[in-house]
Amino acid sequence: GAVVSQHPSWVICKSGTSVKIECRSLDFQATTMFWYRQFPKQSLMLMATSNEGSKATYEQGVEKDKFLINHASLTLSTLTVTSAHPEDSSFYICSATAGTADEQYFGPGTRLTVT
Amino acid sequence: DAKTTQPNSMESNEEEPVHLPCNHSTISGTDYIHWYRQLPSQGPEYVIHGLTSNVNNRMASLAIAEDRKSSTLILHRATLRDAAVYYCILQETSGSRLTFGEGTQLTVNP
Repeated sequence: GAVVSQHPSWVICKSGTSVKIECRSLDFQATTMFWYRQFPKQSLMLMATSNEGSKATYEQGVEKDKFLINHASLTLSTLTVTSAHPEDSSFYICSATAGTADEQYFGPGTRLTVT
Repeated sequence: DAKTTQPNSMESNEEEPVHLPCNHSTISGTDYIHWYRQLPSQGPEYVIHGLTSNVNNRMASLAIAEDRKSSTLILHRATLRDAAVYYCILQETSGSRLTFGEGTQLTVNP
């Protein structure tokens, strides 16, 4: 149990376009979802925390108008990278927690390449 | 967020035990100690967590020092599939955000 999926697994887009990444909890209801970004050979960096039906809480330095997060249901959160630029190319990973569980369940990640 | 310190890398031989250390001298009384691991090009995977007492599960054991300023993740018999980056993370409250450090790259030799 506790499976989190992401779609797409990889995407290539042109500079200036927007890209939407979906994160789904397949077999549990996710009260909270988290979005991370990971550059090559670096650790994960938390971008934002979102609770179902609420506005996301962004980490310092993350532009909320550029990285739009929607958490419309207990099983789906989306991250939209607006007006993408090559420096936004990265590995985007979501995670989710279920109720009072302590551990986070991570998705497989989405590789974004902006050309 | 309280900080953790881990060695950059460690090596082990297949089928031998591995002890991955983590120092967290500024841990607060309510911080949980979490371990996750990440294989290349994959999302992290939960390994184990604890608060004060040692913990065991099917993947690993977590030994927590009495003063809680350090902990050790124990893989009882390393396999090649255990080669990954292991992250030791302090979580302030149950279900709250995780702040990843650099982790320990574990290499398992056949």
